Amino acid sequence: QKEVEQDPGPLSVPEGAIVSLNCTYSNSAFQYFMWYRQYSRKGPELLMYTYSSGNKEDGRFTAQVDKSSKYISLFIRDSQPSDSATYLCAMTSSNDYKLSFGAGTTVTVRA
Amino acid sequence: GAVVSQHPSRVICKSGTSVKIECRSLDFQATTMFWYRQFPKQSLMLMATSNEGSKATYEQGVEKDKFLINHASLTLSTLTVTSAHPEDSSFYICSASGRASEQFFGPGTRLTVL
Repeated sequence: QKEVEQDPGPLSVPEGAIVSLNCTYSNSAFQYFMWYRQYSRKGPELLMYTYSSGNKEDGRFTAQVDKSSKYISLFIRDSQPSDSATYLCAMTSSNDYKLSFGAGTTVTVRA
Repeated sequence: GAVVSQHPSRVICKSGTSVKIECRSLDFQATTMFWYRQFPKQSLMLMATSNEGSKATYEQGVEKDKFLINHASLTLSTLTVTSAHPEDSSFYICSASGRASEQFFGPGTRLTVL
């Protein structure tokens, strides 16, 4: 069993729709949770960073962490074609800060 | 956000040669830098963790004599792929961490070994 599970998709939505992404994990020591966006042949770009449980909103992006269920989510409102990318969840504990990544979900927003 | 650069962005070399990739944190001091490789349509695989002024810590299965890492300053880390072979062809990405767990990634280096 992988430490972090993420459905690789692909996920295709029409422009303006809400994109819903999620990851589950097994390591209860994880405390820091991140979402990265990666365009083809580029390095990952940090979108959201969350510590412990709770919600965080930044513009069209909302990240949710439920540590009791070991489940994290990313929502993208009013999706745009420019949001088409691969979205990676990542998480770490406070011990060594090495990130554990999900497989990444490929998202396509259709104009 | 913090900016991390990598150089070169793309390199093609002959089998048996060595290739050096630089990773720089441009606007913050990175106490820790990480090196990853990524195969097409796969997630990032951590190769090693380097702290400024000390030896890198390699992940299981990564040959430390083949992938030499130097973290000489708080803004620069280098990865040297020694005696590269076609199976080393991949996308190499570095990340830099200043504050605790937050990591910022470079744009990546595509290595092709002929």
